[in-house]
Amino acid sequence: DIQMTQSPSTLSASVGDRVTITCRASQSINNWLAWYQQKPGKAPKLLIYKASSLESGVPSRFSGSGSGTEFTLTISCLQPEDFATYYCQQYNSYSVSWTFGQGTKVEIK
Amino acid sequence: EVQLAESGGDLVQPGGSLRLSCAASGFIFSDYWMSWVRQAPGKGLEWVANIKPDGSATYYVDSVKGRFTISRDNAENSLFLQMNYLGVVDTAVYYCTRTVGATPFDYWGQGTLVTVAS
Repeated sequence: DIQMTQSPSTLSASVGDRVTITCRASQSINNWLAWYQQKPGKAPKLLIYKASSLESGVPSRFSGSGSGTEFTLTISCLQPEDFATYYCQQYNSYSVSWTFGQGTKVEIK
Repeated sequence: EVQLAESGGDLVQPGGSLRLSCAASGFIFSDYWMSWVRQAPGKGLEWVANIKPDGSATYYVDSVKGRFTISRDNAENSLFLQMNYLGVVDTAVYYCTRTVGATPFDYWGQGTLVTVAS
């Protein structure tokens, strides 16, 4: 199975900061990489798909980049509603497990 | 409006069985791959299983192979997860979600809680 490793596990930041989260795949996933935001008690919300495509309705301060095995999620100007946990996920092929990273909690500094 | 509504979660003893359902509306259900994703209390997300739009192919995470069965009824716009030989490690909120083309899980249900305990 493809393993996904996110870093950092926790990130302390202030409103207005630029924040970057990294996700590394154990093998190439051909840009089949998504990012989700989850708030306590809620279902995850899709932010980015195909590594860099912004999901409809998601603010443009969110962006994704990367290819092959190294990917990043950037929040250009952190807003109060952005404090949450973020997960990456690979979906390289329907016939193999679609694994998530372990999550990155963005906390108020 | 796209809606996914899970049901069937409950408290069950180790070794027991449970069947989860997901009622879909607001989209052409038979066009989409469907998946179950779970989240143990205080833990991260884990993809559990998915099923092809016509139901002809299914895939599972290794930890549930042979115990869980995903199925669908396109006439009733419903997704199911039959869970057998449940263990404490299966305790989680179970979400149903959909995929089409390059877009993975764009809509999720509210989740249903499965608790395995004696």
